[in-house]
Amino acid sequence: DAGVTQSPTHLIKTRGQQVTLRCSPKSGHDTVSWYQQALGQGPQFIFQYYEEEERQRGNFPDRFSGHQFPNYSSELNVNALLLGDSALYLCASSSTNQETQYFGPGTRLLVL
Amino acid sequence: EDQVTQSPEALRLQEGESSSLNCSYTVSGLRGLFWYRQDPGKGPEFLFTLYSAGEEKEKERLKATLTKKESFLHITAPKPEDSATYLCAVRANSGYALNFGKGTSLLVTP
Repeated sequence: DAGVTQSPTHLIKTRGQQVTLRCSPKSGHDTVSWYQQALGQGPQFIFQYYEEEERQRGNFPDRFSGHQFPNYSSELNVNALLLGDSALYLCASSSTNQETQYFGPGTRLLVL
Repeated sequence: EDQVTQSPEALRLQEGESSSLNCSYTVSGLRGLFWYRQDPGKGPEFLFTLYSAGEEKEKERLKATLTKKESFLHITAPKPEDSATYLCAVRANSGYALNFGKGTSLLVTP
């Protein structure tokens, strides 16, 4: 049973560029959440997608946007990258009838 | 506003030396409290979900308990492979987000 997968594993960008991160949920899951984890901190909630709509958003600027596809996979887009956007970006999937969110391995983003 | 505080920030144990990690929380209506384990550079690995005060769950050397204000993760006779960061998170009834603490970094030495 494949777990949550994310791509790419690592990414280096420069300030002002745009980036797209991808996530495929665990089999049987229909909900995808995105989190940002800075070094030494706990993950911070960015947003959650369900039925191809953004269901809840955390305290992140509009530069962070997302999308969910009919096959439940998801993308996170970040525009106008800042140095402070350097972090581990985590995708988590869950299903409507269970509470637990299962995390992928993450994408490590470095902004120079 | 929901808040999760974990203590201690770091803990060093000898192999076999049992201890407990603390997670204090404030939330307007607890939907669930979650424990995860995270190895360096990897995504969090799910351990337990607790829903109501008095609930306990066990898995190998780990046992999680819940009261109305805090949760404990008890580690019995730890081994070096238990070394990791342990994260606690809460979900409120009013939302879908997990609100995480900063974690406890555990090092178990032989």
